[in-house]
Amino acid sequence: DTAVSQTPKYLVTQMGNDKSIKCEQNLGHDTMYWYKQDSKKFLKIMFSYNNKELIINETVPNRFSPKSPDKAHLNLHINSLELGDSAVYFCASRPGTENGYTFGSGTRLTVV
Amino acid sequence: GQQVMQIPQYQHVQEGEDFTTYCNSSTTLSNIQWYKQRPGGHPVFLIQLVKSGEVKKQKRLTFQFGEAKKNSSLHITATQTTDVGTYFCAGRSSNTGKLIFGQGTTLQVKP
Repeated sequence: DTAVSQTPKYLVTQMGNDKSIKCEQNLGHDTMYWYKQDSKKFLKIMFSYNNKELIINETVPNRFSPKSPDKAHLNLHINSLELGDSAVYFCASRPGTENGYTFGSGTRLTVV
Repeated sequence: GQQVMQIPQYQHVQEGEDFTTYCNSSTTLSNIQWYKQRPGGHPVFLIQLVKSGEVKKQKRLTFQFGEAKKNSSLHITATQTTDVGTYFCAGRSSNTGKLIFGQGTTLQVKP
């Protein structure tokens, strides 16, 4: 049983397209995150949700819109994709405020 | 803003040699976490340190949290090829509560 699952694993798309990445966790965790990992492996937080409420929204372009239909799901929709959006996007979750994160296996997004 | 610096960026060692990565924060941390990411994989939580001067061990891995709670280190004794990967520290700011990841140290182990 996968704890934090993301789909798709790979996504290749053209500039200007709109795409979504889905994330689900079956751990019962309260908080979920989206992280972006660039080609230099730097992990940067994008969004954080706690019980469906947005609590962190870092300096991310408006083209990125997270949606949390319930506590177990956090999806990421990206409009008008740009070349610079190419990266690995990780979903993560944690049970409380002082615990380690459980990461999904990542979605490798390539914009051509 | 808060910064978490990690050095070195890369380290190549011969199997059996020791390895250490260092993490330094510009601000005091309430806790620090360590993660390992294998090539092509995702970050996996290793440990969390909370107390000033805390030292924790996991088999050949030793984690330390500085007295001032602004720095940390991960030491691996007698590296093995299975230790290959990128090790990230992530510090939680005492002021903002935000968790900031270091840039990671990528370890290569030659058999």
